[in-house]
Amino acid sequence: NAGVTQTPKFRVLKTGQSMTLLCAQDMNHEYMYWYRQDPGMGLRLIHYSVGEGTTAKGEVPDGYNVSRLKKQNFLLGLESAAPSQTSVYFCASSYPTGKGTEAFFGQGTRLTVV
Amino acid sequence: AQSVTQLGSHVSVSEGALVLLRCNYSSSVPPYLFWYVQYPNQGLQLLLKYTTGATLVKGINGFEAEFKKSETSFHLTKPSAHMSDAAEYFCALNTGFQKLVFGTGTRLLVSP
Repeated sequence: NAGVTQTPKFRVLKTGQSMTLLCAQDMNHEYMYWYRQDPGMGLRLIHYSVGEGTTAKGEVPDGYNVSRLKKQNFLLGLESAAPSQTSVYFCASSYPTGKGTEAFFGQGTRLTVV
Repeated sequence: AQSVTQLGSHVSVSEGALVLLRCNYSSSVPPYLFWYVQYPNQGLQLLLKYTTGATLVKGINGFEAEFKKSETSFHLTKPSAHMSDAAEYFCALNTGFQKLVFGTGTRLLVSP
C-alpha cells in the first residue's frame, strides 16, 4: 500500500519555466490537498479538492493551478515559476467522515527556482 | 479566524527528560486538533488527535496531549525523551473538509 505518492521528489527550475507536480493516492480518498512548507511558517494550504472534477483555493493560491481529473490524482501546476515559489510541496489526502479524520501526507517535493 | 500558535521554534532536552511542546489555538467552533511529526526529509506523520470526549489523548511513541478548553491549549508531552524523538512537530487545527491550519512548528533537539 503506497499511500500518497508525489512525483518528482526534487526539481530545479529557472525563473519563468513551468512545471507540474503529480500526486497520486491509492486509498480511495475523496479529499486531496496541496500545501507548501517554508522555514518558520509551517505548512500553508495552496489548493484543495473535495472530489473528482472539483477544486478550490486555499490560503496561498496565487501562481498555482490545479486539476483533479481522476479521483486518485491531484496535479499542481506552476505557470511561470518565480524564486518565491522555492519551497517544499506536500500533497495530502483524506476522507469525509467528520472533522476528526486525519490527513495522510506524501513525502514531499523539494522545488528550487533560480 | 481560526489559528494555531506554537510557542518556541526550538526546544532542547536531554535524553530521559520530560518533553513539553506548547500549542494554543483560536477557534469559534469546537476544535478538532492534531499533532504531526516530521522527521528529516520526510512527510508528516500523525502523532495523535483530539476530536471530542476524553481530553487526555494518547498517541504513538509514548506521546500524549491534553486538551484544555479554558486555556485554549493542546500541549504535547512525553515523560522521557529518546534520541529518536528528534524531529519537527506541528500542531494543526481542522477548519473544515479536513483542511488544516498549522502552527509554525517546533524543532525538538535531544542531547545524550
